[in-house]
Amino acid sequence: QSVLTQPPSASGTPGQRVTISCSGSSSNIGSNTVNWYQQLPGTAPKFLIYSNNQRPSGVPDRFSGSKSGTSASLAISGLQSEDEADYYCAAWDDSLNGVMFGGGTKLTVL
Amino acid sequence: QVQLQESGPGLVKPSETLSLTCTVSGFSITSGYYWVWLRQPPGKGLEWIGSVYHSENTYYNPSLKSRVTISVDTSKNQFSLTLSSVTAADTAVYYCARGDGGYGGDQFDYWGQGTLVTVSS
Repeated sequence: QSVLTQPPSASGTPGQRVTISCSGSSSNIGSNTVNWYQQLPGTAPKFLIYSNNQRPSGVPDRFSGSKSGTSASLAISGLQSEDEADYYCAAWDDSLNGVMFGGGTKLTVL
Repeated sequence: QVQLQESGPGLVKPSETLSLTCTVSGFSITSGYYWVWLRQPPGKGLEWIGSVYHSENTYYNPSLKSRVTISVDTSKNQFSLTLSSVTAADTAVYYCARGDGGYGGDQFDYWGQGTLVTVSS
């Protein structure tokens, strides 16, 4: 049972816009920033979004993040086949005093 | 170019201690930032194990805290993980990473490729 809740799966067709949600509580998302990671099959996770909505250098602007209250979202526009991956949200939790991850969302490009 | 590489035994017996080392290249481990261990059981999600900052400040996952130690060897530009009293539930791919940002360096911007550790007799 993860502290942050993500849907286990999501899907879309090429060119479509998809969103992945991440739900938490006042002790994590509600009071700290959210980061997102992309894990392509068989590879290490990649830093995708930080501080709710900032993209590291090299990440396409098709990827965007947002946060409202105790929830956050990752949006991918202009979906491409290479976006098929697992996506994880993470945030510091003040009560648990540690970094907590969501369970991950497997994105399928149909 | 910051690079991280995990090393250590791929097989550990139950009740023994798992020990892994992460070698950092292209960046000095003393130049700020957090140094982080994470893991991912086969077919499951990511779990943060803990972080160390400036060789002194450590933060551990509360569910693992009693069994985990993360330490830094500045002379070798490495940091290490020890996890005691392992069970089959500790079987996972273990990743080392660099952490930045506010609490516990929760922005993991560079990752190692990961190393699979299996706990079995």
